[in-house]
Amino acid sequence: SQQGEEDPQALSIQEGENATMNCSYKTSINNLQWYRQNSGRGLVHLILIRSNEREKHSGRLRVTLDTSKKSSSLLITASRAADTASYFCATDWMSGANSKLTFGKGITLSVRP
Amino acid sequence: ETGVTQSPTHLIKTRGQQVTLRCSSQSGHNTVSWYQQALGQGPQFIFQYYREEENGRGNFPPRFSGLQFPNYSSELNVNALELDDSALYLCASSSPTFFYGYTFGSGTRLTVV
Repeated sequence: SQQGEEDPQALSIQEGENATMNCSYKTSINNLQWYRQNSGRGLVHLILIRSNEREKHSGRLRVTLDTSKKSSSLLITASRAADTASYFCATDWMSGANSKLTFGKGITLSVRP
Repeated sequence: ETGVTQSPTHLIKTRGQQVTLRCSSQSGHNTVSWYQQALGQGPQFIFQYYREEENGRGNFPPRFSGLQFPNYSSELNVNALELDDSALYLCASSSPTFFYGYTFGSGTRLTVV
């Protein structure tokens, strides 16, 4: 079963605009991760935020986590055509050797040049 | 060589046959996880191997089995293939000691006809 649910399912924006993607989950987590997937290929790890963190930045990415609402958001600033991909949030109830990711269905982001 | 390598990249099998997929983990990673991603869905956890032993399993039948070798590479075996086994199979490696997320391979696209 898929714990995470991303919103919206699809997003189309103009290059240079910001893209905000949301994720909700159901059970307690140790950490939440965001991944990108281009054209049905492998997943690329973008960022990990732990349950005791509220916000994290990595380059043009900003992730927030609200454990009371069981939700997270991924903000991509100044989007580029190369950001066009599917984005997945994945929750992890434990880190380290026993970690297992539970993914949502993903968000399709299209960035128009 | 860094990164996760999966082979083959594409495979076509007939219903009822058996298949073996292979994965080489990233250097320094001793944990390997396998995921199944059906078209339009998020990846689903199959199982994880840590130090050559199965370390957790998702909701997949016993005809899905695996191995991890002393060099931390891994195999996924699927017996008695069914049409619904058609999917992208992803391998991911991680280090429990320095856990910052998973490194995924590019996947094996399996088509069962």
